Amino acid sequence: EADIYQTPRYLVIGTGKKITLECSQTMGHDKMYWYQQDPGMELHLIHYSYGVNSTEKGDLSSESTVSRIRTEHFPLTLESARPSHTSQYLCASRVTGGDGYTFGSGTRLTVV
Amino acid sequence: AQSVSQHNHHVILSEAASLELGCNYSYGGTVNLFWYVQYPGQHLQLLLKYFSGDPLVKGIKGFEAEFIKSKFSFNLRKPSVQWSDTAEYFCAVTPSGNTGKLIFGQGTTLQVKP
Repeated sequence: EADIYQTPRYLVIGTGKKITLECSQTMGHDKMYWYQQDPGMELHLIHYSYGVNSTEKGDLSSESTVSRIRTEHFPLTLESARPSHTSQYLCASRVTGGDGYTFGSGTRLTVV
Repeated sequence: AQSVSQHNHHVILSEAASLELGCNYSYGGTVNLFWYVQYPGQHLQLLLKYFSGDPLVKGIKGFEAEFIKSKFSFNLRKPSVQWSDTAEYFCAVTPSGNTGKLIFGQGTTLQVKP
């Protein structure tokens, strides 16, 4: 079944570590997005991609970076994690012209 | 700046009560409107969407929403809630024709008491 997968589901990591949050989708969607969600708050767009080799920063400033080397893969990287990065990160995708956004289950990141 | 405002942060209802969750957005142009639901421990799922046409849209699980352009609103309704409707509900907007970026409201936590 086509879906969007995020790993890991939960991650606790020490300050200063480099981490990569994985996001993959099997639907061939060209557009992909990363949202950040703090508890009880709205989702904020931090990165998006129109397609391969396309990446843009979203509305909320983030110290993370993304890459889009393959259509199905849109990883997010933090070079040096800090406690302020503690949050939930949600990945989503959609196809141009389509009306459906598909969301992953999210990665809940805690930086200690 | 474009924004989405959900009026109720936390709603508690008894089963069979009627539900209305408010959503207003600020954007002067044509928009596409969505309601998403996030059940405990699960990912966001689309409840319903409005792109054009009939402003009263029906979604899954008995939910409906009405787009009132003059009020910049897209309120979610359900005539009779069930315990299984306990979840967090997000209103979202994307201006038509842009990159498809969704702008979310802050969410409403609905708790339905059996």
